[in-house]
Amino acid sequence: DTGVSQDPRHKITKRGQNVTFRCDPISEHNRLYWYRQTLGQGPEFLTYFQNEAQLEKSRLLSDRFSAERPKGSFSTLEIQRTEQGDSAMYLCASSTGTSGRLGTDTQYFGPGTRLTVL
Amino acid sequence: DAKTTQPPSMDCAEGRAANLPCNHSTISGNEYVYWYRQIHSQGPQYIIHGLKNNETNEMASLIITEDRKSSTLILPHATLRDTAVYYCIVTSGTYKYIFGTGTRLKVLA
Repeated sequence: DTGVSQDPRHKITKRGQNVTFRCDPISEHNRLYWYRQTLGQGPEFLTYFQNEAQLEKSRLLSDRFSAERPKGSFSTLEIQRTEQGDSAMYLCASSTGTSGRLGTDTQYFGPGTRLTVL
Repeated sequence: DAKTTQPPSMDCAEGRAANLPCNHSTISGNEYVYWYRQIHSQGPQYIIHGLKNNETNEMASLIITEDRKSSTLILPHATLRDTAVYYCIVTSGTYKYIFGTGTRLKVLA
């Protein structure tokens, strides 16, 4: 079990450019989540997948954001026409999607991708 | 999911126990208490969770009051590497976590 991985770890882009981030969840984890974290704040939920189905999207996820999980394994998060307000840490988490010992499902987070929009 | 309240910051001497409180007075019967920590520029790290009984693992202990309106995370022998932001989350275990701003714990040498 190698944990959740994210690529790239850091991305610097110019306003108006498109960027794409990748998340590889823990193998055999059915659920995958994306969160965004700005400086001094806790992470905020963006969206989540059960296998390849995107089941929930936050209103934070504007139409410039799109997430996919085409085969129920890795996921990508794309931001089109980036704005300076998109600068943040983008976190991915995964979970089994089944209840553990205490009857709930625990999320495990990756290291994040830090995006800076100039 | 219920909201949580945590002190913004705490200090603890190295080698002493760190006791981090969390208030979740609006918690409902099917909601769990989770604790994560986030070391600078890294993703949140799972620590422990519980429903109503106290829990202990290799990292920490979780004490939940009988009325479940508050809890305490205990790091029994804090080290400098425990310096981090600690988040208390209450969730019914559906899908999303709602994070607050957490407690910034500083372990002092």
